[in-house]
Amino acid sequence: TQLLEQSPQFLSIQEGENLTVYCNSSSVFSSLQWYRQEPGEGPVLLVTVVTGGEVKKLKRLTFQFGDARKDSSLHITAAQPGDTGLYLCAGGLSGSARQLTFGSGTQLTVLP
Amino acid sequence: ETGVTQTPRHLVMGMTNKKSLKCEQHLGHNAMYWYKQSAKKPLELMFVYNFKEQTENNSVPSRFSPECPNSSHLFLHLHTLQPEDSALYLCASSHKLSSGSYEQYFGPGTRLTVT
Repeated sequence: TQLLEQSPQFLSIQEGENLTVYCNSSSVFSSLQWYRQEPGEGPVLLVTVVTGGEVKKLKRLTFQFGDARKDSSLHITAAQPGDTGLYLCAGGLSGSARQLTFGSGTQLTVLP
Repeated sequence: ETGVTQTPRHLVMGMTNKKSLKCEQHLGHNAMYWYKQSAKKPLELMFVYNFKEQTENNSVPSRFSPECPNSSHLFLHLHTLQPEDSALYLCASSHKLSSGSYEQYFGPGTRLTVT
C-alpha cells in the first residue's frame, strides 16, 4: 500500500498552460516537502510546508498543505519547458520525522 | 548547489566485484541516508545514520554494507551484487527545522549497473 498517492502519474502540456498535481494520504504528516528531479540527477528540494492550510509561493509555483495535513497540491502557472521533470512529494510522520515517505511522483513534460 | 556530493556518478560492475560508493555533505547536517531508486518505483530508503550511528536498516540484503566514519561522510560498500540491484543510488543529509520537522537534501546520485 502506497502511503502517499500522487496524481496524475504523467502529465504532458503545452508551454503557457496551468497545471495542478496532487499528493494525498490517509495519514497525518508533520511536514511535507516537494522535490523536482531531472533524469540522472538527485531530487532538488523546492519547498517544505509544516502548517495545515499553509500556502507557499516560489515564482510561478504555488504549494498548499491541506488543513488536516493529509494532502498537498502544487500548482504551476504558465508552465515552461524548464519545468519538465519528475515532481515528488514526501511527508514526515510524527515520531519518525527524520525519515520521509515518498510518493511515486508525477512526470511532467512541458512542450514548447 | 554542491551541498551533497556523490562519487562515482556512474559505475558498472560485475556480480563478483567489490566496489564502494562515497557521499560527502558540506551542510553541517547530522543525519545521512542511502536510498535506492529503480525505474517506475518510489524511492526506497535503505539506511539512516544519525550522528554516525545507524538508526535504520530497511531489511537491506547484506551484500550492501554502509559505513559512516563521521557525520560528513557516508559510504556504501557493494559486493556480489545481482543484476536487479542496478539502480540510481541516492545519498541525502538532513537538518531539523525549528518546527521539529526535517528537510532532506540529496546528492546527484550514482547510476549503478550490475552486469
